[in-house]
Amino acid sequence: ETAVFQTPNYHVTQVGNEVSFNCKQTLGHDTMYWYKQDSKKLLKIMFSYNNKQLIVNETVPRRFSPQSSDKAHLNLRIKSVEPEDSAVYLCASSLQGARDEQYFGPGTRLTVL
Amino acid sequence: SQLAEENPWALSVHEGESVTVNCSYKTSITALQWYRQKSGEGPAQLILIRSNEREKRNGRLRATLDTSSQSSSLSITATRCEDTAVYFCATNYGNEKITFGAGTKLTIKP
Repeated sequence: ETAVFQTPNYHVTQVGNEVSFNCKQTLGHDTMYWYKQDSKKLLKIMFSYNNKQLIVNETVPRRFSPQSSDKAHLNLRIKSVEPEDSAVYLCASSLQGARDEQYFGPGTRLTVL
Repeated sequence: SQLAEENPWALSVHEGESVTVNCSYKTSITALQWYRQKSGEGPAQLILIRSNEREKRNGRLRATLDTSSQSSSLSITATRCEDTAVYFCATNYGNEKITFGAGTKLTIKP
């Protein structure tokens, strides 16, 4: 099956903990993304990454960092989570860049207590 | 403030009726994409319309683009219950940049 896969589906944690979310795409795409979707459904791009370049949204706090082992994987690590980090984190991929259709995973819902 | 914005915020029609969602944006774009997100899923692209195109169709869906007024619309004809979702417009601009609006929540009633 070709798609974008994310784990875990849900994660509940305490303020100050570190969390890591996994994303894998089997579409053979060159570019992957992480988005944050808040409770009002607003989607904000956090990172885009291909094997040449990492583009970081300048509004993303430094406690967030992407981690990639190859072009099919892009994980998201959050050091010391804050309450405002509670959201759905969506991973996506596209063939080459942002002007191509983006394929999204089902998301990871993070709740910070 | 957001670079792309859908309106209305929410919409409800009966099955079989037609419906239109609008999008306004604030910057020069290279393309505009419409996505649909059903409950519990990630968004899925419906239509991509480039800045030199004025209209694009995909089955029951029709998107228009007016670069002079910086607006786009997505129309759905013969709506079905499975069209219930949040509809987003996403604008491509600059060098590989993309921004999404907050979405229009569409409910199709039986």
